[in-house]
Formats: sequence, structure tokens, C-alpha cells
Amino acid sequence: DTAVSQTPKYLVTQMGNDKSIKCEQNLGHDTMYWYKQDSKKFLKIMFSYNNKELIINETVPNRFSPKSPDKAHLNLHINSLELGDSAVYFCASSQGGVRGVIRETQYFGPGTRLLVL
Amino acid sequence: SQQGEEDPQALSIQEGENATMNCSYKTSINNLQWYRQNSGRGLVHLILIRSNEREKHSGRLRVTLDTSKKSSSLLITASRAADTASYFCATLGYSTLTFGKGTMLLVSP
Repeated sequence: DTAVSQTPKYLVTQMGNDKSIKCEQNLGHDTMYWYKQDSKKFLKIMFSYNNKELIINETVPNRFSPKSPDKAHLNLHINSLELGDSAVYFCASSQGGVRGVIRETQYFGPGTRLLVL
Repeated sequence: SQQGEEDPQALSIQEGENATMNCSYKTSINNLQWYRQNSGRGLVHLILIRSNEREKHSGRLRVTLDTSKKSSSLLITASRAADTASYFCATLGYSTLTFGKGTMLLVSP
């Protein structure tokens, strides 16, 4: 009965590789997000999707490409991984308003700990 | 630029004591939210206070909001060891929820 789930939980990979992180929510929410939390615990939004449409795309290298096959899933593909990509990536969802404008709380997944060697 | 700034960065108290964390922000907001993050886990929503509200309670939590000073406080009363976690404030502007760096709370038995 997990609300927001992410896979994998841990990801250790070499520089230059391509990897994907998957996220699924069973809350029936319209809007999903990807956040990056660095080693100092600073949490920064990367992307937001509302009903499969990209709403927010913060300043993120184009090596990061989100994909939303349906409104319950938001996957994150990362090309040519770099050392600085090491972080914890959180998926979240919320019941968005018009065009994904957030009005209420967000529900977070458990995070994917990415380590690039 | 970062919106919310929590203060203090770390707080260590004994069980039964109250814990107060503060958050300051820079621009106008729709609402302000507090989240808790246990070590190695995702964030869990605690409480939301709207820009037209001044105070809100939820169990042992009390949140205040002063929009004139652009600040908020989270009070946890009668703290327990299980309250040990990082606490983040997050401000909602038009379309983005922006998080601060958090306050790390340690409650010792």
C-alpha cells in the first residue's frame, strides 16, 4: 500500500554511464516531481509534471531527462553520469491545481541514493 | 536563490523539553509547510499554514506565521526521542515549493 515508491533504493555506478530511476504513485495525484538532495541536505526541485505535461524545468543539465508515461509514473533518466550527480533523488506527488500549480502538500518517496564513482 | 532558511541548524534537547525551530523566507508566499525527514528516509509532511493564517496546531505541533517579518516557527512540545529528525520549512510561491536546509533535532532520552 506504498503511496510513492521509487526504484532502485541504491544506485552505485561509474562515471559516464547512463542510468534510470523509476517512480510510481498510487494516490491518484495529478502532479509529480523530482527533487535532488545534496550532501548538505539541501533539497532542490528539478522537474514537475502535471498530467504527463512538463510544468517546471529548473536549471538542470540536459543530461537529465524526465519521462512520464502516465500520470502515475515519472521516471528520471540520466546520461553520462558525473561525480557531481551523486546525491539522493526524491520523487514526490501532490494533487495539483490548474496546470500543476501546487496548492497542497506533497508526498515523498523514500529516495534513491545515487553514488557515481 | 534559496527561499527558506531554518534556524538553528542543529538543536539538542532532552525528552520532555520543547523544541522551537524558526524559518525565514524572502518573497511572498501562498503557504508555508513543515516537513520532517528521518535519517535515510523521505520527507513527511507535518503541517501547512496558509498566508492568511497566523497560528495552527496539530497534536504536539504549533506553527506560527508572521508574513510581515517573513518568518515562521515550529514548536514541538513535550518532545520524545522519536522526534529526532531533520525538520524543513518549505514555502510555496506561484508554482514551486522551495525548501530550506533544515534543522537537525536530536532528542535524548
